Amino acid sequence: AQSVTQLDSQVPVFEEAPVELRCNYSSSVSVYLFWYVQYPNQGLQLLLKYLSGSTLVESINGFEAEFNKSQTSFHLRKPSVHISDTAEYFCAVSLMIYNQGGKLIFGQGTELSVKP
Amino acid sequence: EAGVTQFPSHSVIEKGQTVTLRCDPISGHDNLYWYRRVMGKEIKFLLHFVKESKQDESGMPNNRFLAERTGGTYSTLKVQPAELEDSGVYFCASSGRRGASGNTIYFGEGSWLTVV
Repeated sequence: AQSVTQLDSQVPVFEEAPVELRCNYSSSVSVYLFWYVQYPNQGLQLLLKYLSGSTLVESINGFEAEFNKSQTSFHLRKPSVHISDTAEYFCAVSLMIYNQGGKLIFGQGTELSVKP
Repeated sequence: EAGVTQFPSHSVIEKGQTVTLRCDPISGHDNLYWYRRVMGKEIKFLLHFVKESKQDESGMPNNRFLAERTGGTYSTLKVQPAELEDSGVYFCASSGRRGASGNTIYFGEGSWLTVV
């Protein structure tokens, strides 16, 4: 069975500080990896994803995540956070199997709280 | 272009009553998914429609839950009779590429269900 573990349920950080949200997964088959974000009173939005190729992927708002196959991790990082980054972040995987792409397996979520 | 829309956004019902949640996917998206997040737990897959057919309903918790997608457009998720443990957020999502893994899945804002 597959599982995703987000190691921190809450991460408080000051504005302009760096942040890392940790994600580890377990799977017997190859997976695609995703980070979703849920801002207050909004739905889930795709932040970035890893399908293949370069193991470092970036989002348009300065986040990046690196796929580490040997450590089965996909940690999310940002060198300098803003107040507007306050949200809940979800790591997810889907199996590289036909017709299983929409079956996302989520971690428990990490609440990022950015303080002035 | 309209995103995935869900109705109602919030619902409070008594134990034993019936609730029907509606989801309108992005126009043209064949794939429609239901997920839910109960309090304090991770987001979990419920089922997947391809057009009007149920592709995968392995995540449906029990026979009190009934999902339909007549005509392959909008979908409804009925809970009858509702129990306390059904409280949570029900997310609908859609994607366009049939069978493709790794494609972007677009989520709605969720329907918050509280059973008292």
